[in-house]
Amino acid sequence: VTLLEQNPRWRLVPRGQAVNLRCILKNSQYPWMSWYQQDLQKQLQWLFTLRSPGDKEVKSLPGADYLATRVTDTELRLQVANMSQGRTLYCTCSGRDWGPYAEQFFGPGTRLTVL
Amino acid sequence: QQKVQQSPESLSVPEGGMASFNCTSSDRNFQYFWWYRQHSGEGPKALMSIFSDGDKKEGRFTAHLNKASLHVSLHIRDSQPSDSALYFCAASEGGIASSSFSKLVFGQGTSLSVVP
Repeated sequence: VTLLEQNPRWRLVPRGQAVNLRCILKNSQYPWMSWYQQDLQKQLQWLFTLRSPGDKEVKSLPGADYLATRVTDTELRLQVANMSQGRTLYCTCSGRDWGPYAEQFFGPGTRLTVL
Repeated sequence: QQKVQQSPESLSVPEGGMASFNCTSSDRNFQYFWWYRQHSGEGPKALMSIFSDGDKKEGRFTAHLNKASLHVSLHIRDSQPSDSALYFCAASEGGIASSSFSKLVFGQGTSLSVVP
């Protein structure tokens, strides 16, 4: 059973253009939602964890700027701007009884390529 | 500096052989460890968790944790071609009040190739 749906699955991004990503949670028993990035060298890095609708966070990393928003209990969004290097963004979710014991489930990812 | 160091970078084993991966953490705040596997074109998927010192076995997979040395390992016996993938160790902090349970810190990954 798929827990997370991400769209788009891939995108060509002209240099200097921002792109908006969506993640939809299919099972409300896993409400802790996060974004991770995977760079071209396959390194995975946590970006954000947003629990409640209305939560927003921004972050600047080498190669991209991010704005994450928890829109509803089931929707997480990510805006990626000023991207200079391609990457893949993964949405994750973990359980209601969260904590260090809770497994994180990864979505299928959105692959971004810079034009 | 990478907080979770993983080795080797890549590994090739014959079908039926043993594959082993190692991770060492430089941060004593890390108390909880996971192994994730990522097949090409897919998101990572959790293989095993290990939170206590010693061995944990699940089928062909055995994880080992030594908290004193902050070392965690994964061994796959009777490796199959379908085991060919990227393997990552990941660590997270402990503490009841921690807000960083969802923040997994990953090693650099090991690319495993199982040759028929």
